[in-house]
Amino acid sequence: GEDVEQSLFLSVREGDSSVINCTYTDSSSTYLYWYKQEPGAGLQLLTYIFSNMDMKQDQRLTVLLNKKDKHLSLRIADTQTGDSAIYFCAEPNDRGSTLGRLYFGRGTQLTVWP
Amino acid sequence: DTGVSQNPRHKITKRGQNVTFRCDPISEHNRLYWYRQTLGQGPEFLTYFQNEAQLEKSRLLSDRFSAERPKGSFSTLEIQRTEQGDSAMYLCASSPYGARGSSYEQYFGPGTRLTVT
Repeated sequence: GEDVEQSLFLSVREGDSSVINCTYTDSSSTYLYWYKQEPGAGLQLLTYIFSNMDMKQDQRLTVLLNKKDKHLSLRIADTQTGDSAIYFCAEPNDRGSTLGRLYFGRGTQLTVWP
Repeated sequence: DTGVSQNPRHKITKRGQNVTFRCDPISEHNRLYWYRQTLGQGPEFLTYFQNEAQLEKSRLLSDRFSAERPKGSFSTLEIQRTEQGDSAMYLCASSPYGARGSSYEQYFGPGTRLTVT
């Protein structure tokens, strides 16, 4: 669970869809998470998906999970300027004593142009 | 439910000084985590409490760092003899109790930004 990879930057026009991709390493992870961080702020939990699901939709957010390829994506429909932020993919350590310790990627900086 | 709170939000200190940060988790969350985030990176795990017991410390947590959660509610993180490399955002998160296999979703506070000059 120590190598969560994300592309660093994504730019989209307001109203378009954004797709942020992530690859993770621990095939035994039971849950996978997406967090959002605005400048100077803490992390906001956006959504999470259980590993026995391949898709989860929550309003404008759609999470897709491909367990075979260990690939997770977050799609934001009708992207708004307020969606500009850094998005982190995270997977937990589900084993041992540190239940739930999260491993984060470096984050994807989403910039939305008006 | 007021969320996770952290104090202070910003701290500027001179190298060699001691600093202490406080985290108040969401009430009744029995798990509490500390992470550190440097510029351009994701948060990195530092340590974790279940109730008042500190169950694991990362190798990132040198002997100058100590964390406590004396009554299983709020937690403090102390850094002694600060160094410039300690400059970072220190994030606290809490999660509710759950059996193995639970979602363990973690709710983060706003962080304390430490600058060591």
